[in-house]
Amino acid sequence: DVKVTQSSRYLVKRTGEKVFLECVQDMDHENMFWYRQDPGLGLRLIYFSYDVKMKEKGDIPEGYSVSREKKERFSLILESASTNQTSMYLCASSLGDRGRLPPLPSGNTIYFGEGSWLTVV
Amino acid sequence: AQKVTQAQTEISVVEKEDVTLDCVYETRDTTYYLFWYKQPPSGELVFLIRRNSFDEQNEISGRYSWNFQKSTSSFNFTITASQVVDSAVYFCALSEANAGNMLTFGGGTRLMVKP
Repeated sequence: DVKVTQSSRYLVKRTGEKVFLECVQDMDHENMFWYRQDPGLGLRLIYFSYDVKMKEKGDIPEGYSVSREKKERFSLILESASTNQTSMYLCASSLGDRGRLPPLPSGNTIYFGEGSWLTVV
Repeated sequence: AQKVTQAQTEISVVEKEDVTLDCVYETRDTTYYLFWYKQPPSGELVFLIRRNSFDEQNEISGRYSWNFQKSTSSFNFTITASQVVDSAVYFCALSEANAGNMLTFGGGTRLMVKP
């Protein structure tokens, strides 16, 4: 079974703090994603990565950055947390389309972690 | 631009009732994929089904069935004889041909099944 693990389930941080959310997948997937989930808005894509050291902005990248130094690990960074970043964050991964750039659609299933609840006070 | 609409934000049924969750999508692409995910209280999204735009066959899996209608841009999900364990938030999602594997999600429908 695919496993996507998010290191922290619940975090409380202060405004202005730097926050790291870590995600690890164990299925050698090329693609990794960070979403945030807010009531009524569904899931919105923050960033995704289709290879080590590669990243692409999603729909709402402002206030976030990411790091992918190893294939299995994708980190989301809030440089200076703000209260409007209080949310649930979901990491996900999927197979890529090997050898093709940028990633072309294959309808590969995306597997999600359990989510990290972040509260910024 | 792609868009997914789940008009029902919350549905409440009594156990053993059938329930249909609606999903309407917008896309300009002819090649796309549609998904349904279940999010139980534990938080993770559990993959239920993927359907590509060239396959309009309906699908049944146990008590779950899906009705894909390109003419109305809908991909509805029906649970037959609902059970308390079906209580969750359900998301419909769309992935377009020119958007890689990025998913656009609907707002989700919270289903509450009461005993």
